[in-house]
Amino acid sequence: RKEVEQDPGPFNVPEGATVAFNCTYSNSASQSFFWYRQDCRKEPKLLMSVYSSGNEDGRFTAQLNRASQYISLLIRDSKLSDSATYLCVVNGWASGTYKYIFGTGTRLKVLA
Amino acid sequence: GEEVAQTPKHLVRGEGQKAKLYCAPIKGHSYVFWYQQVLKNEFKFLISFQNENVFDETGMPKERFSAKCLPNSPCSLEIQATKLEDSAVYFCASSPSGQGTYNEQFFGPGTRLTVL
Repeated sequence: RKEVEQDPGPFNVPEGATVAFNCTYSNSASQSFFWYRQDCRKEPKLLMSVYSSGNEDGRFTAQLNRASQYISLLIRDSKLSDSATYLCVVNGWASGTYKYIFGTGTRLKVLA
Repeated sequence: GEEVAQTPKHLVRGEGQKAKLYCAPIKGHSYVFWYQQVLKNEFKFLISFQNENVFDETGMPKERFSAKCLPNSPCSLEIQATKLEDSAVYFCASSPSGQGTYNEQFFGPGTRLTVL
């Protein structure tokens, strides 16, 4: 079982739709959580840090459920420009230190 | 600078040749990380530095890979005797502080290494 798991998709949604991604992690000692966006093999760009209380940034809402060990990302009113791969990243304890552990990403295609 | 800079953008090497990649972290960031991204989006952690000191090298294939971060110079990742499976995009990231809670990493544009 992978340490951080995501549905690879692709999720094909029409413009204006609401779409949600989940990510599960196996290490209960994980400390911090992030969503990154990656376009077509370019560098990952930080979209949001995910806090226990949940957080919102415009059309994007991130939630953390520590009891069930999952993180979610909700995108409302999808735009064509939201088409990308969304990477779930967990800062987890491994080999004696904290490490960024990446999910394999969820592909989103927003269709006109 | 305000962004992580990586050079070169693309690098092509024949099997067995040496490859050297460079990274300049964001000014004021103490931590530098190197990752390898192969097909299917899998990111593999290679090594991290705290200033010029190795912080965590548990991901490095030590027999052929080496890395340095020297004062007043870009950090470097060197691969001796490249193999076909080294073909990947190598990302550098920097962080203002260590891998503790809520320490976000900022990524450079990557170097695409192709080994023929």
